Amino acid sequence: AQSVSQHNHHVILSEAASLELGCNYSYGGTVNLFWYVQYPGQHLQLLLKYFSGDPLVKGIKGFEAEFIKSKFSFNLRKPSVQWSDTAEYFCAVNARSSASKIIFGSGTRLSIRP
Amino acid sequence: DTAVSQTPKYLVTQMGNDKSIKCEQNLGHDTMYWYKQDSKKFLKIMFSYNNKELIINETVPNRFSPKSPDKAHLNLHINSLELGDSAVYFCASRSGATDTQYFGPGTRLTVL
Repeated sequence: AQSVSQHNHHVILSEAASLELGCNYSYGGTVNLFWYVQYPGQHLQLLLKYFSGDPLVKGIKGFEAEFIKSKFSFNLRKPSVQWSDTAEYFCAVNARSSASKIIFGSGTRLSIRP
Repeated sequence: DTAVSQTPKYLVTQMGNDKSIKCEQNLGHDTMYWYKQDSKKFLKIMFSYNNKELIINETVPNRFSPKSPDKAHLNLHINSLELGDSAVYFCASRSGATDTQYFGPGTRLTVL
């Protein structure tokens, strides 16, 4: 069965600090990988996704993530965070063989101090 | 021009009642979902429909019954509500072309 682990439950940073949120997944086959963001009181929005090709993917709002197959990881990064990045971040995975079902990690709450 | 919409946004009700949440998408997607997000923000898939047919049912109590009258709508009916049903319920639809899910604004259900 697939699973997704997000190691950091709550991350607190100051503005302009660099960000890296960890995500590891467990699945033996080929996967699609996603990062979603949920701003306070809002619905989930797609930040970026990896299906194939260049393992370094760039998303909206200056976010990027790197797929490292050997480590089963898909960490999210941003070189300089802003107060408006305060949100809940979810890593998600779906197996290519079961494209309908996406498994979400437990989320990481990011708080940015102005 | 909302892509995925849900009604109501808030729902407060007593234990034992029956309630429904409606979802509509105007994206032309074939696949729709219901997710439950608990108080710790954990997001769990409940159901998925593809072209009005149930394809995923994640061992949800049978008090929960999804209904898809057409591929643009996926409603969720809950019988005999319990305290533990309090959560935010999100509807989503998936693009077959990009394999990306688009989420609705959520329905916050509070059972008293």
